[in-house]
Amino acid sequence: AAGVIQSPRHLIKEKRETATLKCYPIPRHDTVYWYQQGPGQDPQFLISFYEKMQSDKGSIPDRFSAQQFSDYHSELNMSSLELGDSALYFCASSPDYNEQFFGPGTRLTVL
Amino acid sequence: AQTVTQSQPEMSVQEAETVTLSCTYDTSESDYYLFWYKQPPSRQMILVIRQEAYKQQNATENRFSVNFQKAAKSFSLKISDSQLGDAAMYFCAYRSPPGVSNFGNEKLTFGTGTRLTIIP
Repeated sequence: AAGVIQSPRHLIKEKRETATLKCYPIPRHDTVYWYQQGPGQDPQFLISFYEKMQSDKGSIPDRFSAQQFSDYHSELNMSSLELGDSALYFCASSPDYNEQFFGPGTRLTVL
Repeated sequence: AQTVTQSQPEMSVQEAETVTLSCTYDTSESDYYLFWYKQPPSRQMILVIRQEAYKQQNATENRFSVNFQKAAKSFSLKISDSQLGDAAMYFCAYRSPPGVSNFGNEKLTFGTGTRLTIIP
């Protein structure tokens, strides 16, 4: 069965650089969620989209922005990267309100 | 806001034995969903089991079962016949019910996790 695809899987950036993370949901899933998991932490909700519209927002820094495109894939744009942004970033997709299917995550390291 | 508490940072169990992981939550909602996710060293988030609050029957998935106590706001996970592959971080998660017209805001709120070690 198709799963959520995230790219890249690993990303290394310098401080103050910009990063773009991509998420390709499972086909026919219209809802995408982004979570950030710091080292030794639980995942924290960042932002979600339903039918290409932002539907909910968590503790996402103003330096971050995201959108969902017409093909339902989503991108998380992160600017002016800080050391504290180093984390595992998960995307999850859902066809309804029952279950969220997680991608493998993108590990971002900021040096 | 909903909160999820896992009071056991680490647990260990002998292989083939049974272990119970605890989770409590706080909410003012009457209808919601609870989940247990497993995160092995690969860091993949894997759904273990799901419970709908309106269902009185405890969910069961093979060796995994829950003890859902709605009044006490408790949602524990029991793993029977523990196997080496069960070693992982386990997260309890809460999700609000969907809105009538605003799908997509059913974010998951996670507990801090319990690291489970299986002793051969």
